[in-house]
Amino acid sequence: EIVMTQSPATLSVSPGERATLSCRASQSVSSNLAWYQQKPGQAPRLLIYDASTRATGVPARFSGSGSGTDFTLIISSLQSEDFAVYYCQQYNDWPPYTFGQGTKLEIK
Amino acid sequence: QLQLQESGPGLVKPSETLSLTCTVSGGSISSSSYYWGWIRQPPGKGLEWIGTIYYSGGTYYNPSLKSRVTISVDPSKNQFSLYLSSLSAADTAVYYCVRERYSQKNWFDPWGPGTLVTVSA
Repeated sequence: EIVMTQSPATLSVSPGERATLSCRASQSVSSNLAWYQQKPGQAPRLLIYDASTRATGVPARFSGSGSGTDFTLIISSLQSEDFAVYYCQQYNDWPPYTFGQGTKLEIK
Repeated sequence: QLQLQESGPGLVKPSETLSLTCTVSGGSISSSSYYWGWIRQPPGKGLEWIGTIYYSGGTYYNPSLKSRVTISVDPSKNQFSLYLSSLSAADTAVYYCVRERYSQKNWFDPWGPGTLVTVSA
């Protein structure tokens, strides 16, 4: 099973600033990685797939990069609605699909 | 626009079997382009994939749950269901149904709103 590790667990950033979230896989997942955003009381929402492709309707301030074992999600200028928990998920080698433990992005 | 909606009991007793159904609207579960799956999230914790089914009945399960899980599909009702046996408090979670591409490389989109299942006597 591929273990996904996200860092940091909590990230405090001011509105308008840039946020950088990291995800590391225990073995290569090529570019088979997705990012999700989850707000309190809601289901996760797909943001990025194939490591860098934005899902339909996702603002351009969200960008993903990386391949192999190291991945990054960047939110270029934080809006109030972006404060949430973010999860990465690998789909290179399944079953099982596996998720990171999440990064909570909070207002500084 | 495709929508998914979970339904089932909110409270189940330990050792019993959980039964949840996901109803698909705005699209056909018999589409050859998609798998359908279940994911859960214990309160305050992360996401765990449970399993996946194709409309023809082929299934994949998380090895950690495989001995207790069955997923079935009813194309006539545009529904698929999750059965999880021998419940314990550790199975308390929000359960989500999801759609996946019919591919070797799959992400989850969209998600149902989720249903909270509490395991307690």
